[in-house]
Amino acid sequence: AQTVTQSQPEMSVQEAETVTLSCTYDTSESDYYLFWYKQPPSRQMILVIRQEAYKQQNATENRFSVNFQKAAKSFSLKISDSQLGDAAMYFCAYRRGQGAQKLVFGQGTRLTINP
Amino acid sequence: NAGVTQTPKFRILKIGQSMTLQCTQDMNHNYMYWYRQDPGMGLKLIYYSVGAGITDKGEVPNGYNVSRSTTEDFPLRLELAAPSQTSVYFCASSSGQGRYSPLHFGNGTRLTVT
Repeated sequence: AQTVTQSQPEMSVQEAETVTLSCTYDTSESDYYLFWYKQPPSRQMILVIRQEAYKQQNATENRFSVNFQKAAKSFSLKISDSQLGDAAMYFCAYRRGQGAQKLVFGQGTRLTINP
Repeated sequence: NAGVTQTPKFRILKIGQSMTLQCTQDMNHNYMYWYRQDPGMGLKLIYYSVGAGITDKGEVPNGYNVSRSTTEDFPLRLELAAPSQTSVYFCASSSGQGRYSPLHFGNGTRLTVT
């Protein structure tokens, strides 16, 4: 079974600084997707970024980028120029490449932004 | 466009009571899912459906039942509520078209069993 591990329960960063959230996963599959989701206090699940395993290039979305290390099974999220609105729970998630979107989530990292 | 709508938003149940969490989507999506999120944890898949009349178990199905009689609706049934089912429940849907189709989440139902 696939597992996703986020080893940082909480992180904090100064506004405008850069922070990196860590995620490792375990799978025997070669075809899969990885995701970072943001969950603000409103409980809404917001997709931040996704990475396809067969793409070597790291995904980026504006201030958000990932460091995808396939051999090491590591998938970290870097947030540049942190803003107060970035404060939230962040979840790393995995799914197989084909079929239904049966996501496996990590435990989450609570990110605090200090003004 | 309402997307994925869940009702109710909040509910308190006594141990042993039953209830149905409602989920409906207006995007004509084939795939629908139920996840639960325990306090301080990530989401876990309870059940999912790839189309009307087809359902399958996820990671944590015990204590729940589902049905999918229409494309739009995917209700989740709790028959004998237990304190361990205190959680936030999320319904989600995706079209299932192509290699990747985004997952659309509802806003969740917070359930407390006492």
